[in-house]
This record gives sequence, C-alpha cells and structure tokens, in this order.
Amino acid sequence: SQQGEEDPQALSIQEGENATMNCSYKTSINNLQWYRQNSGRGLVHLILIRSNEREKHSGRLRVTLDTSKKSSSLLITASRAADTASYFCATDDSRGGSNYKLTFGKGTLLTVNP
Amino acid sequence: DAGITQSPRHKVTETGTPVTLRCHQTENHRYMYWYRQDPGHGLRLIHYSYGVKDTDKGEVSDGYSVSRSKTEDFLLTLESATSSQTSVYFCAINSDRSNEKLFFGSGTQLSVL
Repeated sequence: SQQGEEDPQALSIQEGENATMNCSYKTSINNLQWYRQNSGRGLVHLILIRSNEREKHSGRLRVTLDTSKKSSSLLITASRAADTASYFCATDDSRGGSNYKLTFGKGTLLTVNP
Repeated sequence: DAGITQSPRHKVTETGTPVTLRCHQTENHRYMYWYRQDPGHGLRLIHYSYGVKDTDKGEVSDGYSVSRSKTEDFLLTLESATSSQTSVYFCAINSDRSNEKLFFGSGTQLSVL
C-alpha cells in the first residue's frame, strides 16, 4: 500500500494566491520529499526535509513536517500560471541496512488560472 | 535531461506478447528504479536495482522482471503483457552524492491491446 496521501486531490486558484498541499504518511520516515510533474513529463525534485527538521524554504516554496502527526505541507506562495502541475510527496522509510527507495503518494493537481 | 534516457517513448502491443523497456543513464549512479503511473494510484514502485545484477521487488512487481547487466542500463520486461499493464512507466536514478533525491526519465507510454 502507498505510504503518502496528498490532500486535496485537485486545487484550483488564481495567479498570485498561495497554494497549500498536504501529505500524510503511515510509518516513520528518514526524509520526505516533494516533486512536481508537468503534464506529459517526468517528475522533478523540488525540496527535501529530514525527519529532524520542522520547516524548510526554497524560493517560493515552504515545506513543513510534523512527525508526531505524520504529515507534511507544501506551500507555494504568489503562485504563477507556470506552477500548474501535479505535486507528489515521497517518503524514505528505509530502515538501517536496507536499500534506498522512495514511496510516492497519489498527487495533487494544481491549476493556477491567469 | 541529466543523463537518463528511456526507450521507447511510446509502444503499442498486443496481449500476450513480451515487451522490454530500457532505461539508460550516463551518470554512473548505483540506484535505478522502475515506477508505473496510473490515474488514481500515483506512482508505484515495480522493481529497483542497487548495483549490477542486484535487484529487488517493489510493491507491484507481479508480471514484471528486470535485469541490470551493466551500470548504465536497467531493463524492465513484461514477459506476457496484459491490458492491466497499460500504463506510463518511469525510470529514475539517484542524482546526487547523498543518494536521496531521484531524477526521472521522460517516461514510456505503453498500451496493451
């Protein structure tokens, strides 16, 4: 079964507004990552937050992590039409000595209207 | 795109035929992964490799096999394709030294009729 679940499944906003997407997961993790996918393309890494971090920023992106609630949020500020894409969270729940792999959620489709 | 190529980009095949998808990297990365992406399911891991001839199953490995005879190539084979294997297949590699974030290929759209 999948580790991460994004919420909402779809989000439509106006250019300039902020967009917030949430991710919940089931087991303890080493890190949580967010990826973006434009239509018809592969996923692109956006940001990584480790289990001992609570917040991280990168440009217009802000990610928070609450390990007690097993949840993360991705905030995109001052959205642009070019931010229209699907956004996925991915978790690394590999245990010590096991091989590295990521488990992805089902994604949030963000539409930013001009 | 940072040294990862998937081939073919599109393929249409018939039920029961064997199909092989290829992922080629020029980055000399240890880890390579095959995911499938379906509406309502997001990305699901099929198989992955952690070195030459070292592979392991993901969560949806039934009906798929893989091989990695050299560092740069990771092959995904559907021995006898079924309609349920119609999907978009993505290959991914680790892209930096810390071996944490993945870099994805452009995908292969496979249709099994």
